[in-house]
Amino acid sequence: EDKVVQSPLSLVVHEGDTVTLNCSYEVTNFRSLLWYKQEKKAPTFLFMLTSSGIEKKSGRLSSILDKKELFSILNITATQTGDSAIYLCAAGGSNYKLTFGKGTLLTVNP
Amino acid sequence: GAVVSQHPSWVICKSGTSVKIECRSLDFQATTMFWYRQFPKQSLMLMATSNEGSKATYEQGVEKDKFLINHASLTLSTLTVTSAHPEDSSFYICSARDPGGTSYNEQFFGPGTRLTVL
Repeated sequence: EDKVVQSPLSLVVHEGDTVTLNCSYEVTNFRSLLWYKQEKKAPTFLFMLTSSGIEKKSGRLSSILDKKELFSILNITATQTGDSAIYLCAAGGSNYKLTFGKGTLLTVNP
Repeated sequence: GAVVSQHPSWVICKSGTSVKIECRSLDFQATTMFWYRQFPKQSLMLMATSNEGSKATYEQGVEKDKFLINHASLTLSTLTVTSAHPEDSSFYICSARDPGGTSYNEQFFGPGTRLTVL
């Protein structure tokens, strides 16, 4: 059975801190690893990673994939209160399906 | 970018009634759509994969007679929760795959429908 495990499940930091969110996966016919941010409604897309070792960046967020060790990390530098959200990791396999992890609840306090 | 809409955004119904949720791809034709359910503080759980013109593929543990999925056109999939009960109260999210897109696993999510069964 396909499985995605995220850690930590929750995290509380102060504004300006740097955080690292972890995601490990076991997915048959793995094709890609996706990160989403979810606030009140449906998830919004952050990154899609398909190649090992190539960092993707968007502003203060960055992510990298290790296909040998089957994990990915999402980094957020200089955190802001607006970064408070649930961050979801999903692994894409065959039949276009995504398997989601339980998410990391990030709370950034002023 | 690809846009997916859902209707209604929220619905309250009495126990025993049926509720239909619509998922539409607005600017692309989606041969494959997905239905997820999310309970409070939990992750998205895939319920079923909806393929245009054929029967949906349900995930293990999801009752296909309770959660009826119809994907009658390339831009519309519907999820009907039949004989809803309070334990069906949840956040239902659909997503759609753009076959013209470049990424195999990329899905575009609708805004979700919050169902409350009294």
